[in-house]
Amino acid sequence: DVKVTQSSRYLVKRTGEKVFLECVQDMDHENMFWYRQDPGLGLRLIYFSYDVKMKEKGDIPEGYSVSREKKERFSLILESASTNQTSMYLCASSLSVRGAIWGNQPQHFGDGTRLSIL
Amino acid sequence: AQSVTQLDSHVSVSEGTPVLLRCNYSSSYSPSLFWYVQHPNKGLQLLLKYTSAATLVKGINGFEAEFKKSETSFHLTKPSAHMSDAAEYFCVVSGRGTNAGKSTFGDGTTLTVKP
Repeated sequence: DVKVTQSSRYLVKRTGEKVFLECVQDMDHENMFWYRQDPGLGLRLIYFSYDVKMKEKGDIPEGYSVSREKKERFSLILESASTNQTSMYLCASSLSVRGAIWGNQPQHFGDGTRLSIL
Repeated sequence: AQSVTQLDSHVSVSEGTPVLLRCNYSSSYSPSLFWYVQHPNKGLQLLLKYTSAATLVKGINGFEAEFKKSETSFHLTKPSAHMSDAAEYFCVVSGRGTNAGKSTFGDGTTLTVKP
């Protein structure tokens, strides 16, 4: 089974801090994703990555950056944390199948990091 | 463009009765469609997926879904609900073309199972 591990289940930080959320997957997946989940707003894509050192903006990238130096690790960075970034953050990974049409591989999710910014 | 609408934000059933969670989608291309389940304080777990093979898709834990192109629907069903099915369920459409690699999530349906 694919395992996606997020480094922290719960995290409390202060406004203005630089915050790192780490995600590691163990199945050699090419694609990795960061989402945030908020009541009434569902899951929203922040950033995704198709390969090492590659990144693409999602729907709500403002205030965030990402790093993918190794295939198995995808980090989300809050450059200067603000209270409106208090949320549940979910990391996911998926396989990229050569010759297959994009999008037909399911994503595998970590258990999430509940981040509070005070 | 692609979108997905889960028609019910909350569904309540009694244990042992059928479950129906409704999902309509919109996609410029033949879509890939998924249902995920999320238990409290956990990540999303794949229940089943449709990727242009059989229109009736069977998943884990007795769930299944039927892809109906004419109705642009992908409703999730289960013949008999169990208490452990209580969770939030997400319908997801995943795209091609300009939406390649991106998934659009529905807003979720919270399923309550009464004893």
